[in-house]
Amino acid sequence: EVQLVESGGGLAQPGRSLRLSCAASGFTFDDYAMHWVRQAPGKGLEWVSGISWNSNSIGYADSVKGRFTISRDNAKNSLYLQMSSLRAEDMALYYCAKDVTPNYGDRDVFDVWGQGTMVTVSS
Amino acid sequence: EIVLTQSPGTLSLSPGERATLSCRASQSVISTYLAWYQQKPGQAPRLLLYGASSRATGIPDRFSGSGSGTDFTLTISGLEPEDFAVYYCQQYGSSPAITFGQGTRLEIK
Repeated sequence: EVQLVESGGGLAQPGRSLRLSCAASGFTFDDYAMHWVRQAPGKGLEWVSGISWNSNSIGYADSVKGRFTISRDNAKNSLYLQMSSLRAEDMALYYCAKDVTPNYGDRDVFDVWGQGTMVTVSS
Repeated sequence: EIVLTQSPGTLSLSPGERATLSCRASQSVISTYLAWYQQKPGQAPRLLLYGASSRATGIPDRFSGSGSGTDFTLTISGLEPEDFAVYYCQQYGSSPAITFGQGTRLEIK
C-alpha cells in the first residue's frame, strides 16, 4: 500500500524551530519529487515547498522562503521540512505529498497525500 | 504568481444533478497544467484530474474537466452522495509558484 506518514508537528513559540518528517512506503521513493502543502484551520490549501528526486531542484513559496528548508534522505525513504523563525501564520496542518514525476518543476501534480501533522504556533 | 479564483464559493445541489465548478486564472496557465482535487472533512485531498481533463487513477468517469488559457471547468455528471465535498483547482505551469484556488464547497441541497 502506498503510504505517507507525517510526524514532528506540535506546539512551538513564535520565532522557534520545528522539524517535520514524512515516512514513505509502498513505492520507489527516489523515483519521485516530493512536496509539502499546508492548510490553516478552516482555510484552503497552500503549497509550501518541493524537491526533486535527487535534491537538485528545490523551490519554496514566497511566504516561507529563507525560513524553511526542505530535504530528503532517499536511503531512509524520508522527506523533511526544517521550519525556523516560526510565525503565527505558519500554524496549519502540514501535508506531505508525492509528485507524479521525478522532477520538481516538471508537472507538479500530487497523487498521494499523507494525513498531515499539525503545527501550532503560539506563545 | 498566478492567482486562481474559483466560483461559486458554495454550490447547493441534489444527488443526481449536474455540478459545474469554475476556476479562473489571473494569467494563462501554461500547457493546461491545471489539476483538480477533492477534499472531504477530516481527510487529505485526493487528485481527481490533471492536465485540465485527464482523470487520475480510479476516478469515476462522471468527473470531467475542460478549459484552457485562463478558464477551466470541473463537471460532475449525476452527483453521488459521496461527491459532496470541497474542490480545489491547482496550477503547476509556473513553478516555483504552484498555486491553489480558494475552493468550492459542494453541499447537499
